[in-house]
Amino acid sequence: AQTVTQSQPEMSVQEAETVTLSCTYDTSESDYYLFWYKQPPSRQMILVIRQEAYKQQNATENRFSVNFQKAAKSFSLKISDSQLGDAAMYFCACENYGGSQGNLIFGKGTKLSVKP
Amino acid sequence: GAGVSQSPSNKVTEKGKDVELRCDPISGHTALYWYRQSLGQGLEFLIYFQGNSAPDKSGLPSDRFSAERTGGSVSTLTIQRTQQEDSAVYLCASSLRSGQGRWRQYFGPGTRLTVT
Repeated sequence: AQTVTQSQPEMSVQEAETVTLSCTYDTSESDYYLFWYKQPPSRQMILVIRQEAYKQQNATENRFSVNFQKAAKSFSLKISDSQLGDAAMYFCACENYGGSQGNLIFGKGTKLSVKP
Repeated sequence: GAGVSQSPSNKVTEKGKDVELRCDPISGHTALYWYRQSLGQGLEFLIYFQGNSAPDKSGLPSDRFSAERTGGSVSTLTIQRTQQEDSAVYLCASSLRSGQGRWRQYFGPGTRLTVT
């Protein structure tokens, strides 16, 4: 069974600074996707960034980048130049690639606060 | 086009009553997922529909939970004889599951269920 672990229930960052959110996962599959989702108080899940396990290059999306360490099963999210609008719950998730099920397995989330 | 919509936005019910939660996926999306998010937790997979195939019900927590998807579009999640532990946000997502972009799940805003 797949599991996703986020060991930081809460994090805080000063506006314009950089913060890294940690995530580890466990899967027996060789091909899978990894995701970071943002959930503001509106409850809407917003996709932040995606990484395909077969790709060695770390994904980047504007101020957001990941550090994907496949052997260590680690998938951290770095937010650069943090903005007040980045404050939200962040969830790490994993999905088997090409599997018949296709559902996402989520971690318990990290609540990010951004201080002005 | 419109995103995934869910209704109602909030539902308060008495213990023991039945409730129905509705999800309208993005038009053309063949896959539909239901997740449950309990307070302070990540999302927990409940059920998955893909086209005309039999749904994957492996995540349903008890036989009080059921879901159907009519005409490959709208889905209804039914909880019978609600219990206080059923209180949570119920999120629906849809995706293409084929072709480019098949990996991406689009989430609705959720239904917050409170059982008193």
